[in-house]
Amino acid sequence: DTAVSQTPKYLVTQMGNDKSIKCEQNLGHDTMYWYKQDSKKFLKIMFSYNNKELIINETVPNRFSPKSPDKAHLNLHINSLELGDSAVYFCASSQDRAGGLNTQYFGPGTRLTVL
Amino acid sequence: AQTVTQSQPEMSVQEAETVTLSCTYDTSENNYYLFWYKQPPSRQMILVIRQEAYKQQNATENRFSVNFQKAAKSFSLKISDSQLGDTAMYFCAFTTNTGNQFYFGTGTSLTVIP
Repeated sequence: DTAVSQTPKYLVTQMGNDKSIKCEQNLGHDTMYWYKQDSKKFLKIMFSYNNKELIINETVPNRFSPKSPDKAHLNLHINSLELGDSAVYFCASSQDRAGGLNTQYFGPGTRLTVL
Repeated sequence: AQTVTQSQPEMSVQEAETVTLSCTYDTSENNYYLFWYKQPPSRQMILVIRQEAYKQQNATENRFSVNFQKAAKSFSLKISDSQLGDTAMYFCAFTTNTGNQFYFGTGTSLTVIP
């Protein structure tokens, strides 16, 4: 059974389009995250939700909007896609907020390519 | 500010040899937790090993061990008997009890040469 799943794994789209990436975890965790990994492999936190409540909202364009319908899901919606949005997006979850030995479990990543 | 530095962007090691990846960090917190993650070409991020800062004993997981030097704020990863499957990006990370996030280094790309 996949612990943290993301769909789709690959997404190719045109500039200006709106797209969503879905994330689900079946670990019973309370906290979920979205990271962006650029072409240099640098991992940057974007958002974090704890029990459906937004607790981290780093400086990302407001074209990016996370949505957490329940604590097992954290979806990422991106409006008006730009070339610079091309990256791999990782969803992750942890038992509780970051702190202690709350290991993060990552999804397989979604490679987004904007043409 | 919380930062993590991995000063070796790329490393290589012969199969069956030992390699050490370095990581330093900066925090003013006293209680924190350190992690090494592996990202193979498949892209999946996998936890390799973790360490609580208040524990003096270095963590060990099979062929993977850490050298944790709290005073120097250093957390290096040693891989013994390197295998081809160890080829991956390795990320050092930490989190604190009071923070809400994990802080990642920029990664070290390790290649195991047959």
